[in-house]
Amino acid sequence: NAGVTQTPKFQVLKTGQSMTLQCAQDMNHNSMYWYRQDPGMGLRLIYYSASEGTTDKGEVPNGYNVSRLNKREFSLRLESAAPSQTSVYFCASRKGLARNTGELFFGEGSRLTVL
Amino acid sequence: GENVEQHPSTLSVQEGDSAVIKCTYSDSASNYFPWYKQELGKGPQLIIDIRSNVGEKKDQRIAVTLNKTAKHFSLHITETQPEDSAVYFCAATRYSSASKIIFGSGTRLSIRP
Repeated sequence: NAGVTQTPKFQVLKTGQSMTLQCAQDMNHNSMYWYRQDPGMGLRLIYYSASEGTTDKGEVPNGYNVSRLNKREFSLRLESAAPSQTSVYFCASRKGLARNTGELFFGEGSRLTVL
Repeated sequence: GENVEQHPSTLSVQEGDSAVIKCTYSDSASNYFPWYKQELGKGPQLIIDIRSNVGEKKDQRIAVTLNKTAKHFSLHITETQPEDSAVYFCAATRYSSASKIIFGSGTRLSIRP
């Protein structure tokens, strides 16, 4: 089973460029999340989607947009990249049903560098 | 909203000794507290979790305790082994599909041989 797949795994951008991080899960989960991980800051929630058709802001949404394309896919877009967005980005999914809603399943991460 | 604080940020213990990582949360409505382990170059993985209707949960060498009154919970690893070296994250949330899941800042655990 693939689980949660993120692409690309590595990306280097120049300031002002745009890009989209893709995430897909094959576990038929309802909820999906985007986190960024910075040294000493832990995992900070950018956006999440509780179910297909809904998205909500997390702790650090500024500078990002998301799209829940369908139940499987949840993309994260940087419209005008800034050096402060240099980070490792993780996508995660969660069953999101009335029972067993707890566990998050993470992808392997996407390392983004903005010069 | 929820805020989770985690201590210490780094922890080094002798192989075979115990390790304890502590977290506090702010939202009294939070009722689900998972712990994740992240190995180098990988995404975090759930290792144990606890819901607010119990005070302690154990799984082999790992245990988690919860004090709802004080709003803090802790991870205990006994008889530590080299493979326990990793970054550990606590989190707090409400046990529903529409909830944000807020993480602590992480603890880098190193096991000395």
